[in-house]
Amino acid sequence: SQQGEEDPQALSIQEGENATMNCSYKTSINNLQWYRQNSGRGLVHLILIRSNEREKHSGRLRVTLDTSKKSSSLLITASRAADTASYFCATAIGSARQLTFGSGTQLTVLP
Amino acid sequence: DGGITQSPKYLFRKEGQNVTLSCEQNLNHDAMYWYRQDPGQGLRLIYYSQIVNDFQKGDIAEGYSVSREKKESFPLTVTSAQKNPTAFYLCASSPQTGIEEKLFFGSGTQLSVL
Repeated sequence: SQQGEEDPQALSIQEGENATMNCSYKTSINNLQWYRQNSGRGLVHLILIRSNEREKHSGRLRVTLDTSKKSSSLLITASRAADTASYFCATAIGSARQLTFGSGTQLTVLP
Repeated sequence: DGGITQSPKYLFRKEGQNVTLSCEQNLNHDAMYWYRQDPGQGLRLIYYSQIVNDFQKGDIAEGYSVSREKKESFPLTVTSAQKNPTAFYLCASSPQTGIEEKLFFGSGTQLSVL
């Protein structure tokens, strides 16, 4: 089964609003990454947060990590129509040399 | 898509046919990966390679084969043994397979069965 599971599966908001997506995982991790995928395209790396970090920022993105709850959240502030995409979390487990991806959140930002 | 080229963008397979998906990178990355993506689902790892002439099975390797004869190239063959090949296939690379490495993805190949 997937290590990371995103919630909600789909999210629709108005331009200018904030979007929050959550990721839960089952076992201890070394780091957690968020990726974005536009329809029919490849994934693009957004941000990586290490297991000893609690919060990280990159532009309009804010990622939090709660290892006690085995969860992470991705916040996109002041969303734009161009933010419309699927967002995936990916976890690196122990000494694993490959990432495990969740099923993604489909974000639609309405103009 | 960051220096990774996948071709073709669309591919059709007939019953009993093997097809090969191309992946080339000019990022000088050591590690390369193949993922399968089904509609509404996450990515599942098929194969990965850390160095030339070496590769490892991922979670769903059955019915697939790969080669890594050159650092830049990591082709994936979908064999006739793969009974449900219709999916979106993504190739990725990373500088190495350390646990903090991020992946760079190609733009994908959509494979369908005729």
